[in-house]
Amino acid sequence: ETGVTQSPTHLIKTRGQQVTLRCSSQSGHNTVSWYQQALGQGPQFIFQYYREEENGRGNFPPRFSGLQFPNYSSELNVNALELDDSALYLCASSPTSYTSYEQYFGPGTRLTVT
Amino acid sequence: AQSVTQLDSQVPVFEEAPVELRCNYSSSVSVYLFWYVQYPNQGLQLLLKYLSGSTLVKGINGFEAEFNKSQTSFHLRKPSVHISDTAEYFCAPCETSYDKVIFGPGTSLSVIP
Repeated sequence: ETGVTQSPTHLIKTRGQQVTLRCSSQSGHNTVSWYQQALGQGPQFIFQYYREEENGRGNFPPRFSGLQFPNYSSELNVNALELDDSALYLCASSPTSYTSYEQYFGPGTRLTVT
Repeated sequence: AQSVTQLDSQVPVFEEAPVELRCNYSSSVSVYLFWYVQYPNQGLQLLLKYLSGSTLVKGINGFEAEFNKSQTSFHLRKPSVHISDTAEYFCAPCETSYDKVIFGPGTSLSVIP
């Protein structure tokens, strides 16, 4: 059984640029959640995707968007990057949306915005 | 709205000593409660969870937590810590199975040889 994987591991971008982060969910999981973890803080919920539809969103602006594909893998896109977007971005997959607390996390993508 | 407080941001403890990491949450409804661990440069791993039933919950790596509804607390304990327990620990409640988990600010546990 393959766990949750994320790519890339690290990324450096310039303010104003756009970035795409990728996540492959655990086999059999149809729900993917994305979190932003700033240095020294707990993860903050960005949004969740269930069967290719957004299924809940945290307090993040529209320049944070996502996609989920038929194989349940997912992308997080961030436009017009700001310095405060520098963080560890975590993806978590769940077997279903109604037990989304049953989460399995990937290792994260470390994004640095300069 | 759900909120969670982890009362200690850093906890240093000697190897083989007991440790308690404190967590309080605010909610007027029933909650599910979780503790996650994050080792350096890694993602989060579920330590243990309370969904219902016995208020004493046992998890992996010898950790346990006790749900106290009257005090709205879910403190994490381990009777004897190891160096390998050095990590960041997050308390995380959610109100229903449909709701999203809310993570606390974390407690950094440092085990001293």
